[in-house]
Amino acid sequence: NAGVTQTPKFQVLKTGQSMTLQCAQDMNHEYMSWYRQDPGMGLRLIHYSVGAGITDQGEVPNGYNVSRSTTEDFPLRLLSAAPSQTSVYFCASTRGVGNTIYFGEGSWLTVV
Amino acid sequence: AQSVTQLDSQVPVFEEAPVELRCNYSSSVSVYLFWYVQYPNQGLQLLLKYLSGSTLVKGINGFEAEFNKSQTSFHLRKPSVHISDTAEYFCAVSEGDTDKLIFGTGTRLQVFP
Repeated sequence: NAGVTQTPKFQVLKTGQSMTLQCAQDMNHEYMSWYRQDPGMGLRLIHYSVGAGITDQGEVPNGYNVSRSTTEDFPLRLLSAAPSQTSVYFCASTRGVGNTIYFGEGSWLTVV
Repeated sequence: AQSVTQLDSQVPVFEEAPVELRCNYSSSVSVYLFWYVQYPNQGLQLLLKYLSGSTLVKGINGFEAEFNKSQTSFHLRKPSVHISDTAEYFCAVSEGDTDKLIFGTGTRLQVFP
């Protein structure tokens, strides 16, 4: 029972490089989202999706792109990495409003 | 706009003592309330949630929380903590028509022997 799977778990990038954080869920959930976690700031919503082909911005979307071509996958793209994007990133999914939101184990990203 | 305030960034407590982690929220509409726990280097795990009905909610690992609408609070309690409860605890809120969660800044519970 995989749940929400994120890859990679750890990544070091140079400033200006691009990369994609992968997220997949096997629970047939319509709702998926990406959060970043920074010390003393809790988790902040980056982007979310309410179904395949539908995405929207969260609280801190700048510097990130998302797409949702399938129900299972919700990749997060960093187009030109900046040190301010050093963070822990969590992908999450849920069946819908009021239901339990399941989180992946996190991706630790360092931008130097 | 919604917001969540966790007043205590750290709560030290001895094993077998009771603990309360405080959470206050602000919202102009009906909300769903959640408590999540994060163990070191892991993702978040749901402890409990309030959607409607009884204001006292029981969750996993012996935790419970009480929703107080007049005080806009959702404090988490456990009557007797264990070393294994050492973790970061996050309170979160979503408005009634969305699954987007707004998180508090977290409370680190440190249980000492």
